[in-house]
Amino acid sequence: DTAVSQTPKYLVTQMGNDKSIKCEQNLGHDTMYWYKQDSKKFLKIMFSYNNKELIINETVPNRFSPKSPDKAHLNLHINSLELGDSAVYFCASSQDMAGVGETQYFGPGTRLLVL
Amino acid sequence: DAKTTQPTSMDCAEGRAANLPCNHSTISGNEYVYWYRQIHSQGPQYIIHGLKNNETNEMASLIITEDRKSSTLILPHATLRDTAVYYCIVRVVDDYKLSFGAGTTVTVRA
Repeated sequence: DTAVSQTPKYLVTQMGNDKSIKCEQNLGHDTMYWYKQDSKKFLKIMFSYNNKELIINETVPNRFSPKSPDKAHLNLHINSLELGDSAVYFCASSQDMAGVGETQYFGPGTRLLVL
Repeated sequence: DAKTTQPTSMDCAEGRAANLPCNHSTISGNEYVYWYRQIHSQGPQYIIHGLKNNETNEMASLIITEDRKSSTLILPHATLRDTAVYYCIVRVVDDYKLSFGAGTTVTVRA
């Protein structure tokens, strides 16, 4: 069973479009995250949700809107896509937000290409 | 979080131990050292973490110097599947996020 899953795996779209990426975790975790990995391979956190509530927004443009319908899901909606949004987006989850030994489990990533 | 410095890349032979260094000279007392790795086209994977004592699990060992300014991740018997980018991350215990640097690209050769 996949612990953290994302759909779609690949997403190719035109500038200006709106798209969504879905994430689901079956680990029973309380906290979920979105990370972005750019072309230089640097991974940066975008958002963190704890028990369906937004905890962290790391100065991400408001074209990006995460939505958590329940603890097991954290979807990422992107409006008016720009070329610079092309990246790999990773979803992750952890049992809680922080604490000793709190490890994050990552999904396989969604490769977004904006043309 | 304290910054970490890792070599850009390293090679190691299959079946041999791989020793991955990490410098974190500005680490503070409440910061832990975490290691993650990212195999090509996959999401990052947790390996191990520690505060000041050496740690071992089924994947690796973590050796932290007494002054805590550096650490070494040891993969005891590297296999081709260990080829990945390895990230050393220093994190305050109650911090919510992982701050990834450039990591070390480890290539295990047959």
